[in-house]
Amino acid sequence: SAVISQKPSRDICQRGTSLTIQCQVDSQVTMMFWYRQQPGQSLTLIATANQGSEATYESGFVIDKFPISRPNLTFSTLTVSNMSPEDSSIYLCSVDGNTDTQYFGPGTRLTVL
Amino acid sequence: ELKVEQNPLFLSMQEGKNYTIYCNYSTTSDRLYWYRQDPGKSLESLFVLLSNGAVKQEGRLMASLDTKARLSTLHITAAVHDLSATYFCAVDMTGYALNFGKGTSLLVTP
Repeated sequence: SAVISQKPSRDICQRGTSLTIQCQVDSQVTMMFWYRQQPGQSLTLIATANQGSEATYESGFVIDKFPISRPNLTFSTLTVSNMSPEDSSIYLCSVDGNTDTQYFGPGTRLTVL
Repeated sequence: ELKVEQNPLFLSMQEGKNYTIYCNYSTTSDRLYWYRQDPGKSLESLFVLLSNGAVKQEGRLMASLDTKARLSTLHITAAVHDLSATYFCAVDMTGYALNFGKGTSLLVTP
């Protein structure tokens, strides 16, 4: 299985600011995914991050709002830009494991005031 | 657009009882996942079902997949309090990323 860490684990931010979330995996993986889980809701895929190419965004998510970096096979960042209270969510990264499952990081709990 | 529907969304059951959570999805997929999420925690992988007729069991939980009916079930046998959590099914969308159901919030009471 893959061990995934995320930083920060939680943060409280002011409206209009930006936050960068880091995701580190203990092994090399081809694809990393970023999901959002709004309060009391299910998970929604934001984008797929591939090393060496632009991230692929899902409908309703744009690069200007959620820029993603993937500098190598073990690391990715997601930035939440120009935040508003509606961005308050848990942000999770995940990776495709070798045993046909997807593993999730512990999540970053973001509150925007 | 792939849709994943779970029911029920909320389930309160007594310890010792049996119950089934259903997961329907709208288009063909070869992989279906079940996850557990405890309050304030991330997702824990329970099962990955890879083929029609697949059945997997772990403790008091058993998951099955019928790809022809586009239906997966998560059966709970003799529920105990420790099973209280939210259970998500998820379907492989594009060969890698997942489309999640809304989750079933399970509360097991004495």
